[in-house]
Amino acid sequence: QVRLLQSGPGLVKPSETLSLICTVPNDSINDYSWNWIRQAPGKGLEWIAFFYSGGRVSYNPSYESRVSIAMDTSKNQFSLKMNSVTAADTAMYYCAGASIVYSSPLDFWGQGTMVIVSS
Amino acid sequence: DIQMTQSPSSLSASVGDTVTITCRASQGISSYLNWYQQKPGKPPQLLIYGAATLESGVPSRFSGSGAGTDFTLTITDLQLEDFATYYCQQTYTDFRTFGGGTTVDIK
Repeated sequence: QVRLLQSGPGLVKPSETLSLICTVPNDSINDYSWNWIRQAPGKGLEWIAFFYSGGRVSYNPSYESRVSIAMDTSKNQFSLKMNSVTAADTAMYYCAGASIVYSSPLDFWGQGTMVIVSS
Repeated sequence: DIQMTQSPSSLSASVGDTVTITCRASQGISSYLNWYQQKPGKPPQLLIYGAATLESGVPSRFSGSGAGTDFTLTITDLQLEDFATYYCQQTYTDFRTFGGGTTVDIK
């Protein structure tokens, strides 16, 4: 089972940028595709974005103008940045990985980072 | 965008019951449909992928079926540890949508 370690601040001020990192300590990040998902308190799962083999990136159109994801193969990490956050972005954020095959399910998940947007 | 609609949004059941959850896609997704289980305070866990293939380690009382637009997750002989929320997700398109979730609680 691939292990994922999430890091990043749990409190972000409105209008600022949310930045989260997912580290893959024991496997090569190049062997998988990577996703970000969030879950507002008491709500369902919402897919944000994924990074697929060869640099292909896909974003949820609801966030596309505010979100970017990237891979750092030298550190075996992938990241999420979401700018201009509001209270509506308060949620648990998960990173999740899948096999390199395009339609693969999300096999392994990070522990989650609860991000609160508040001044 | 493909919309995924789950029903019911919640249900109450007893240990030993059989429960069925449905997931409908707004357009055909072949068999690229996955089911996840989530318990409070935990990340989701993959149960079934490709509409009907059980993830390794998942008990055989879980089963999935369907193709195209209509899918079902069935849990037979419901156990205490199965009370949780279940989500479907399509991985047919780049925009990988989830269903709204179905919470199974104890009657």
